Amino acid sequence: GENVEQHPSTLSVQEGDSAVIKCTYSDSASNYFPWYKQELGKRPQLIIDIRSNVGEKKDQRIAVTLNKTAKHFSLHITETQPEDSAVYFCAASVGGSYIPTFGRGTSLIVHP
Amino acid sequence: ETGVTQSPTHLIKTRGQQVTLRCSSQSGHNTVSWYQQALGQGPQFIFQYYREEENGRGNFPPRFSGLQFPNYSSELNVNALELDDSALYLCASSPPNSGANVLTFGAGSRLTVL
Repeated sequence: GENVEQHPSTLSVQEGDSAVIKCTYSDSASNYFPWYKQELGKRPQLIIDIRSNVGEKKDQRIAVTLNKTAKHFSLHITETQPEDSAVYFCAASVGGSYIPTFGRGTSLIVHP
Repeated sequence: ETGVTQSPTHLIKTRGQQVTLRCSSQSGHNTVSWYQQALGQGPQFIFQYYREEENGRGNFPPRFSGLQFPNYSSELNVNALELDDSALYLCASSPPNSGANVLTFGAGSRLTVL
C-alpha cells in the first residue's frame, strides 16, 4: 500500500518568515495530494490540494508543488502569521481507491 | 448546509467493553470514511462506506466494524476494547463523483480506554 513520509515533524519560524513542509510517497499511481490543517482540539480542514496533472498550485499565501518523477510534494507558506500555527498533514491518494493515506504531521509554530 | 457531525464527543470505557460511535455526513455526501488518530499522529484509515457497503479497509482487526444507513449516516463499532484503542476517531464524508476523495471531517469522538 501507499506510504507517506512527512518532514519535519516540528517547524518553528518567526512571524513573516516562510515555512516549507515536505512529503514523499511510495506509490507512483497516486494522483491526488491534499494538505490539511488541524488546529489544537479541532478537526482537520482541507487548505489546498493538487492533482497529478499539474506541478504547482497557489492560493494566496500558500502553495503546493509536486514532483511526480521524484515522488515528492511540498507545502509552502509565505509571510507566516501566528494564526498559521497548527499541525499540517499531507496525504496521497492512489487512483481508483481514492482513499488518502496521511503523513504523520508537522507542528508549525509561528512566533510573533 | 450542515457539516459532518459526530457523537459522542468524549467517552471513557474500560478494557473489554464495546463502543459505538456515530456520524452524520454532510448534506449531499454519500461516502463516509472513518479514521483513527492517536495522539501526535496522522489519521489512520479504518474503513470507508459507500451505498451501505464497506468500500475499502485499512489495517485494523475485525473487532472494528461499521455500518452505513440509507440516509448516509454511519456507525463505527469497536468490540473488546484495548488500551491502544484510546484515540480520536474521525469521521469524514465525501461528495459523489468527486473524482478524488475530498474529505470533510467531523470534530471527532475522543475515546479513552482505561
